[in-house]
Amino acid sequence: GENVEQHPSTLSVQEGDSAVIKCTYSDSASNYFPWYKQELGKRPQLIIDIRSNVGEKKDQRIAVTLNKTAKHFSLHITETQPEDSAVYFCASSSGPGGYNKLIFGAGTRLAVHP
Amino acid sequence: DSGVTQTPKHLITATGQRVTLRCSPRSGDLSVYWYQQSLDQGLQFLIQYYNGEERAKGNILERFSAQQFPDLHSELNLSSLELGDSALYFCASSLGLGGRETQYFGPGTRLLVL
Repeated sequence: GENVEQHPSTLSVQEGDSAVIKCTYSDSASNYFPWYKQELGKRPQLIIDIRSNVGEKKDQRIAVTLNKTAKHFSLHITETQPEDSAVYFCASSSGPGGYNKLIFGAGTRLAVHP
Repeated sequence: DSGVTQTPKHLITATGQRVTLRCSPRSGDLSVYWYQQSLDQGLQFLIQYYNGEERAKGNILERFSAQQFPDLHSELNLSSLELGDSALYFCASSLGLGGRETQYFGPGTRLLVL
């Protein structure tokens, strides 16, 4: 069935360093790849997403790259700050016009140390 | 604030009981999704409704049911509750049916079954 693998499960960096989180999906029909940030006890918040007609998207310190051939996509956070500390989830969606269920990775707990 | 509201925020109940979780989507959104987040299973898609009709089902137990009303709010009904049903339940909404639409999450309902 549909599956999204996410690595690493935990990531610890020093403030100012870069962080990279990688995800691999199984369904070759997947065409939408959002990333969510979740702070403890809070709702998942969309931070960036990419659609299958582009290979890279950037928003200030955050970028996402997509490799459809290899079926993987990555989140890059540069110049990390303590407030970036949270759990990050990747997801994929392959619904045709009728539905849009998100399949989530298991999450990466990012800790940014001052 | 995503514009998606959920009530109640917290719910404590006993095994065997039945509860109803409520969700109001963002203004103008026609699709509502329900997700379950537990420590061992991560974020799991349960079910999607679009404009009152069920559109997709995930790993939703037979003890669970949902509906979307004419005013577009949705309710998730959980019955014959078990200890393992304790989790965070999130509702999300999106504009329509498109497979690449952004989903905005509500604050969640934390369910504890004792």
